[in-house]
Amino acid sequence: NAGVTQTPKFQVLKTGQSMTLQCAQDMNHEYMSWYRQDPGMGLRLIHYSVGAGITDQGEVPNGYNVSRSTTEDFPLRLLSAAPSQTSVYFCASSYSPSGANVLTFGAGSRLTVL
Amino acid sequence: AQTVTQSQPEMSVQEAETVTLSCTYDTSESDYYLFWYKQPPSRQMILVIRQEAYKQQNATENRFSVNFQKAAKSFSLKISDSQLGDAAMYFCAYSTGTASKLTFGTGTRLQVTL
Repeated sequence: NAGVTQTPKFQVLKTGQSMTLQCAQDMNHEYMSWYRQDPGMGLRLIHYSVGAGITDQGEVPNGYNVSRSTTEDFPLRLLSAAPSQTSVYFCASSYSPSGANVLTFGAGSRLTVL
Repeated sequence: AQTVTQSQPEMSVQEAETVTLSCTYDTSESDYYLFWYKQPPSRQMILVIRQEAYKQQNATENRFSVNFQKAAKSFSLKISDSQLGDAAMYFCAYSTGTASKLTFGTGTRLQVTL
């Protein structure tokens, strides 16, 4: 099993450019989510999905879009990148939305916006 | 809103010694889960231990154990017989019983010395 796969691992963007961070899981997990990690702030939830076709906002959703057309994939889109979006991004999934379930994390994607 | 506080930005322990990392949280929920995650330099988020709030017994996983004080809303992690491979960033996290959305603390960087 590959688990949760994130691509790319590293990306440098210029202000105003758009890009998509890809996330795929092969565990048939219902729940998928995106976090960003900034120094001194831990991980913060951006968006999440409890199943195909269903998405919702987390703590810091501004500047990001998501969609969930399949169970396996949950891409995160930056429509117009800003330096404040320089961060490490993590995708995570679990079998169901219940808090009892443990999240499986991807390896992270480091994004730098110049 | 739930909050998770880790008051120790950095800790150091000698190899083979014991260290305790502190975590406090604030919630009005009765059904919730608490986690400790380890993040080594590889950036991968690794689950260390998990505690269900309804269980009075403290969770243990080999050299890792927690001291869960529900009334005090405290959830500390004890690492016994510390090893060089334990050096990492440690995050305390919280989720409600009904949602996999994790709220993270700001992390404690653990250094292990010879």
